[in-house]
Formats: sequence, structure tokens, C-alpha cells
Amino acid sequence: EVQLLESGGGLVQPGGSLRLSCAASGFTFSSYAMSWVRQAPGKGLEWVSAISGSGGSTYYADSVKGRFTISRDNSKNTLYLQMNSLRAEDTAVYYCAKGGAITMVQGGYSFDYWGQGTLVTVSS
Amino acid sequence: QSALTQPPSVSGSPGQSVTISCTGTSSDVGSYNRVSWYQQPPGTAPKLMIYEVSNRPSGVPDRFSGSKSGNTASLTISGLQAEDEADYYCSSYTSSSMVFGGGTKLTVL
Repeated sequence: EVQLLESGGGLVQPGGSLRLSCAASGFTFSSYAMSWVRQAPGKGLEWVSAISGSGGSTYYADSVKGRFTISRDNSKNTLYLQMNSLRAEDTAVYYCAKGGAITMVQGGYSFDYWGQGTLVTVSS
Repeated sequence: QSALTQPPSVSGSPGQSVTISCTGTSSDVGSYNRVSWYQQPPGTAPKLMIYEVSNRPSGVPDRFSGSKSGNTASLTISGLQAEDEADYYCSSYTSSSMVFGGGTKLTVL
């Protein structure tokens, strides 16, 4: 059974940093691209970032480019999102999502499994 | 990376059919057959319902179908059931990026 378990969310002040983690199990982690998708309270889904199965290719939404860094440790079956220079508008539930293939272009753009999400609140 | 355009809400009675549209541009929906649809009941994580415009993952009822014409993709739900009440989101892949629609709330009357 595929499981994705996010952690690391919490309350942080504007300008602060936070690192999210997503522990994966039930599939060959290194064979699939992974993404982070967020959802602000009462709002829709917003794609944040993606990484290929090998970790060699990374992609970012314009809204987070230069502030967030996605990475993965395939030996630990874990996906990360390092978030710096956080803003109030980054407040959201952050989901990690498994792509359908090893790279985005090959099918990593469809998310067949999602975690339950972790809440990040940016406020003073 | 502008969001895809979806109607804010649709509704239908049990047994009826509803269609949710998702309009993008020639740079995203119109250029790639890489449109997905997700269902999100309140308080839960999204669930993949359709991928690559019209393909259903295993376990998704065949009451759910997808199509595309030009820059607009559509999700049709036939034989509406009370359990279909949820928010629905489309997404599209566009060279090295992704975009979601704003979401559509489906109400089963």
C-alpha cells in the first residue's frame, strides 16, 4: 500500500524558514517523480515544485522560485521542501504527491497518490 | 502560469449527468494531452480521477469520463450519486511547469 506522510509544518514568522519532509512507502521511491502541491485555507490547489526520480531535474512555480528548494533522499525514501523567506501568502496545507512516472514529461504530471498534508502558517 | 478556468459551481440531481469545463490556452491544455482531473471531498486530500485527458485509474467508476477540444478539457459525471459531491480540479502540464484550475464545487441536489 502506497503511503505518503508529511511532517514539518507549523507556525513561522514572516521571513523565516521551514523544512517539510514526506516519508514514502509502498512503492519504489526512486522510480517516480514527486511534487509538492499547496492549498491555502478555503482556496484551490496550487502546484509548488517537482523533482524527477533521480533528483537530477527540479521544477518550481514562479511564486516560490528562488525561495523554495525541493530535494529527495532515495536511500531514505524521503522528499523534502526547504522553504526560506516565507511570506503570509505561503500559508497553506502542503501536500506531497507521487507522480505517475520517473520524470515530469513522461507522466510525472499526474498525481496518483497524495499525503494528508501538513499545515504551514506564516504569521507574526 | 495563469490558473486554468473552471466554473465555480455546478449542480445536478441524482441520476443526472453534469459536465465541468476547464479552459486553458494553446500553451497548456491546447498543446498537450496531459490534463488530469482530481476529486476532493471536504477535509480530505485530492484523488486522481482522470489522467491524460480521458484515462481512468483503476478503481475509478466508468461514470467519470474526460475529453478535450481545443483549449478546453471537460469532465463528465454520469449517473450522479450523492457521494460525488466534492470539489473538482483540473490540471495541465506545460513545459517544465504545471497549472491547476480554480476548482468547481459539485452539489448533488
